[in-house]
Amino acid sequence: EIVLTQSPGTLSLSPGDRATLSCRASQYMSYTYLAWHQQKPGQAPRLLIYAASSRATGIPDRFSGSGSGTDFTLTISRLEPEDSAVYYCQQYGSSFSFGGGTKVEI
Amino acid sequence: EVQLVQSGAEVKKPGESLKISCKGSGYTFANYWIGWVRQMPGKGLEWMGIIYPGDSDTRYNPSFQGQVTISVDKSIGTAYLQWSSLKASDTAMYYCVRRPGNQPFDYWGQGTLVTVSS
Repeated sequence: EIVLTQSPGTLSLSPGDRATLSCRASQYMSYTYLAWHQQKPGQAPRLLIYAASSRATGIPDRFSGSGSGTDFTLTISRLEPEDSAVYYCQQYGSSFSFGGGTKVEI
Repeated sequence: EVQLVQSGAEVKKPGESLKISCKGSGYTFANYWIGWVRQMPGKGLEWMGIIYPGDSDTRYNPSFQGQVTISVDKSIGTAYLQWSSLKASDTAMYYCVRRPGNQPFDYWGQGTLVTVSS
């Protein structure tokens, strides 16, 4: 089982700031089957990024993903108040697993 | 428009059985995997299992194997998650998700809150 570890646990930033979220895998991922989901309070999650760096339909370009192997990053440039949420990484190359989440407070 | 619509909130007693549902629309239901994800109160996301409606091929997270049963009725575009004997620790929000081929979960249902309390 691939274990995903996300850091930091909580990120407190201001509107217009840049957020950098990390997701580290316990095993090398030879395929970039890594996704990011956003969950706002009281809502179901929604897919933001797949294949480590491809934006899902309708996702603004201030969200970007990068990384390979064991280290992946979600970057949110120019934070907006509606970006307050918990962000989860998910691997889907070896069964499925989620990271523990990073809460972004704005 | 792709939609996954789940059944409503449930309040049950320990030991009771339960079956919740997830109806897919706006796409060819039989061609996409449907999974279930648990979120316990204040906690993160856990993948429980997944089923392919086309042939009912089902895979479980070992942590949930034997604890729940996933099934599907493709004639009505609906997937199910069921318990035969609920425990208080089953109290959680349960989401169904769609998975296209070798892709991540791309659509989520609105969630079904299950509360188990005596």
